[in-house]
Amino acid sequence: GAVVSQHPSWVICKSGTSVKIECRSLDFQATTMFWYRQFPKQSLMLMATSNEGSKATYEQGVEKDKFLINHASLTLSTLTVTSAHPEDSSFYICSARDMQRSSYEQYFGPGTRLTVT
Amino acid sequence: AQSVTQPDIHITVSEGASLELRCNYSYGATPYLFWYVQSPGQGLQLLLKYFSGDTLVQGIKGFEAEFKRSQSSFNLRKPSVHWSDAAEYFCAVVTNRDDKIIFGKGTRLHILP
Repeated sequence: GAVVSQHPSWVICKSGTSVKIECRSLDFQATTMFWYRQFPKQSLMLMATSNEGSKATYEQGVEKDKFLINHASLTLSTLTVTSAHPEDSSFYICSARDMQRSSYEQYFGPGTRLTVT
Repeated sequence: AQSVTQPDIHITVSEGASLELRCNYSYGATPYLFWYVQSPGQGLQLLLKYFSGDTLVQGIKGFEAEFKRSQSSFNLRKPSVHWSDAAEYFCAVVTNRDDKIIFGKGTRLHILP
């Protein structure tokens, strides 16, 4: 149980275009989802906390107009990278908290590799 | 502010040897502690967690970790490593103030045949 999926697993897009990444909790409901960014050989950096039905809370230094987060249901959160540029190329990982279980454990998706050319 | 320190960026051990990965945290109260493993290009897999109770925690894949409050440490151990254990290991802490996970910088484990 407690499986989180991400789609797509990898994506290549041209500079200036937008790309949407989906994060789904497959067998549980998640009131809170988190979006992380990971650069090569580095740790995960929290970008934003996504709460179902409300606006996301962004970490300091993360452009909310560039990284649009929508958490429309208890099983789906999306991250849209708008007007992508090569410096947005990274590994994006989402996680979700199971509202029925421990409130402190997060279940991680497999990640999405974004390459902007 | 809360923080997690993994002092070793890289560790190399021979297959079959024992392993200890170090983790220290900074937090006033008892935090919730985790160890995750990440293979290249993959997401994170939870190895084990400590919330309360017995300070020696057993996890998956033969890993264990011991919470030592006096040392603010939560070191990960395995008595005999396998080549498949080569990966990046992250120690993490959650404080109940905002439920965010704070990750250490990670330790890359290399296994010699």
